[in-house]
Amino acid sequence: AQSVSQHNHHVILSEAASLELGCNYSYGGTVNLFWYVQYPGQHLQLLLKYFSGDPLVKGIKGFEAEFIKSKFSFNLRKPSVQWSDTAEYFCAVNAGTGGFKTIFGAGTRLFVKA
Amino acid sequence: ETGVTQTPRHLVMGMTNKKSLKCEQHLGHNAMYWYKQSAKKPLELMFVYNFKEQTENNSVPSRFSPECPNSSHLFLHLHTLQPEDSALYLCASSQYLGTSGNTIYFGEGSWLTVV
Repeated sequence: AQSVSQHNHHVILSEAASLELGCNYSYGGTVNLFWYVQYPGQHLQLLLKYFSGDPLVKGIKGFEAEFIKSKFSFNLRKPSVQWSDTAEYFCAVNAGTGGFKTIFGAGTRLFVKA
Repeated sequence: ETGVTQTPRHLVMGMTNKKSLKCEQHLGHNAMYWYKQSAKKPLELMFVYNFKEQTENNSVPSRFSPECPNSSHLFLHLHTLQPEDSALYLCASSQYLGTSGNTIYFGEGSWLTVV
């Protein structure tokens, strides 16, 4: 069955620390990859997405993610986090083998200490 | 403003009640979805509609009954729910279904508590 794994359920960082959130998926073949973010009290919104081309994808608010096909990974990174990055982050995969349904990981709660 | 509006935002209901969640999207999309978000669990896809037709029922119990009268509106009818059904129910839409690279847009969700 299709699955998306996010390895860290909770992450606590101080401001200016670097961030890397792991995401692995279990499909072969063509995949489209997403990171969504849910700020406290707000709706889920798209942070960045990978469809094809350059495997290093830049998103909003200084986030980036790298697609490594050989590792089935799409890790999210930010060089220097801010207090306002406190949120829950969801990795998602949309794959042809899954009928192009979008499947989400369990999410990672990030808390940034001011 | 997300383009996907859900009402009510909060709902408390007894196990014998019947209630409905409503979703409306203003994005001109053709596919609509219901997801369930529970603590410490992945977002669970419940139902998918494409051009008003249900294309996916992800083994959801019959006490959840979806309705899609047109491409802009989606309902989730609830009856005889269980306390474990308490969760955040998210409505979402996308331009097309089954197209590579489709981006999903979410509503703010309806918090459901079953007592």
